[in-house]
Amino acid sequence: AQSVTQLGSHVSVSEGALVLLRCNYSSSVPPYLFWYVQYPNQGLQLLLKYTSAATLVKGINGFEAEFKKSETSFHLTKPSAHMSDAAEYFCAVTPLGGDTPLVFGKGTRLSVIA
Amino acid sequence: DAGVTQSPTHLIKTRGQQVTLRCSPKSGHDTVSWYQQALGQGPQFIFQYYEEEERQRGNFPDRFSGHQFPNYSSELNVNALLLGDSALYLCASSPLGGHEYFGPGTRLTVT
Repeated sequence: AQSVTQLGSHVSVSEGALVLLRCNYSSSVPPYLFWYVQYPNQGLQLLLKYTSAATLVKGINGFEAEFKKSETSFHLTKPSAHMSDAAEYFCAVTPLGGDTPLVFGKGTRLSVIA
Repeated sequence: DAGVTQSPTHLIKTRGQQVTLRCSPKSGHDTVSWYQQALGQGPQFIFQYYEEEERQRGNFPDRFSGHQFPNYSSELNVNALLLGDSALYLCASSPLGGHEYFGPGTRLTVT
């Protein structure tokens, strides 16, 4: 079975600092990997996805993530945090082909301090 | 394009009651999935509907059932509500096998 582990339920950074949110996955086959963001009282918005093409994936709002097969990781980064980045972030995985349900991690809440 | 819409936004029910949640998919999408997001947790897959049939199901009891209509909209029904059913229920739509777009969710509180 596939699973996702997000290290750190809460991450706090200063405005302008690097954002690093960690995600590790377990899968018996190369997966598709996703990062979603959830703002308070809203649904999930896709930030970026890895679908077996380039290992460095660029998403919206300046976020990017790198797929590292040897480390089974898909960490999310942003060079400079903005106050508007404060939200809940979820990493998710689905088998190759994307025709199976998303399996989500428990989420990481990002706080940005002025 | 209105995107995925869900109704109601919030509702409160009593233990033992039944509830129906509704979802309208994004234009052009024919597949609808439902997820349950408990407080402080990631979403968990309940089931997926395609061509008016349940196509895949997660690890949820039979108290959770659904329906898809010819216009691709969908309902989630939960019978004999338990306190533990309190959660945000998310609907997602997609073309079959394609990327899922999520709605804003319905917040269900069971007292």
